[in-house]
Amino acid sequence: AQKITQTQPGMFVQEKEAVTLDCTYDTSDPSYGLFWYKQPSSGEMIFLIYQGSYDQQNATEGRYSLNFQKARKSANLVISASQLGDSAMYFCAMREGRSGAGSYQLTFGKGTKLSVIP
Amino acid sequence: DAGVTQSPTHLIKTRGQQVTLRCSPKSGHDTVSWYQQALGQGPQFIFQYYEEEERQRGNFPDRFSGHQFPNYSSELNVNALLLGDSALYLCASSFTGDPYEQYFGPGTRLTVT
Repeated sequence: AQKITQTQPGMFVQEKEAVTLDCTYDTSDPSYGLFWYKQPSSGEMIFLIYQGSYDQQNATEGRYSLNFQKARKSANLVISASQLGDSAMYFCAMREGRSGAGSYQLTFGKGTKLSVIP
Repeated sequence: DAGVTQSPTHLIKTRGQQVTLRCSPKSGHDTVSWYQQALGQGPQFIFQYYEEEERQRGNFPDRFSGHQFPNYSSELNVNALLLGDSALYLCASSFTGDPYEQYFGPGTRLTVT
């Protein structure tokens, strides 16, 4: 079974509008972390936002927020006020286990290609 | 402050050959992870190095090997290249005290013909 599922291969959004990118995950480990990365055409993975499984509040970083619904095992990324520079691939990823123990690897989804329309 | 650097940027090899990719971690980081990203896919974890030893390995054959040097830089070696090894190879560095934050390099694009 896939550990990270991103069901939207591609998304379009009008400039200045908000957009939600979906991510569901599967783990039996009570301790885990969820990440979102942006990958422009240049190839570099850019860290956007992180949510820990025990965090009580949804993470926010500037225009990025993570809609964390633990019971539904979803961790959707919300981008507010989209900009042309937001056009890129977006990947959801998970690390299982607590800091300093458990798995060190990140497991990625297949990504969503976001295109921002002027 | 330099981020994660990788060399070379692009590489073309022939089936059966061997290749070495290099990574220098971000200043202050002591852990290096390698990922393979095939076209249209998310990155797949290859292995992670810490204190010059392989700490964890993903589902990759022994043809993939690595090394970490005392200055924390790392190499990824792939032997007996296959066409399916064509991919973007990403290096990520982190500090072992804060493994949640991984900084990625720009990657090396490997093409096997």
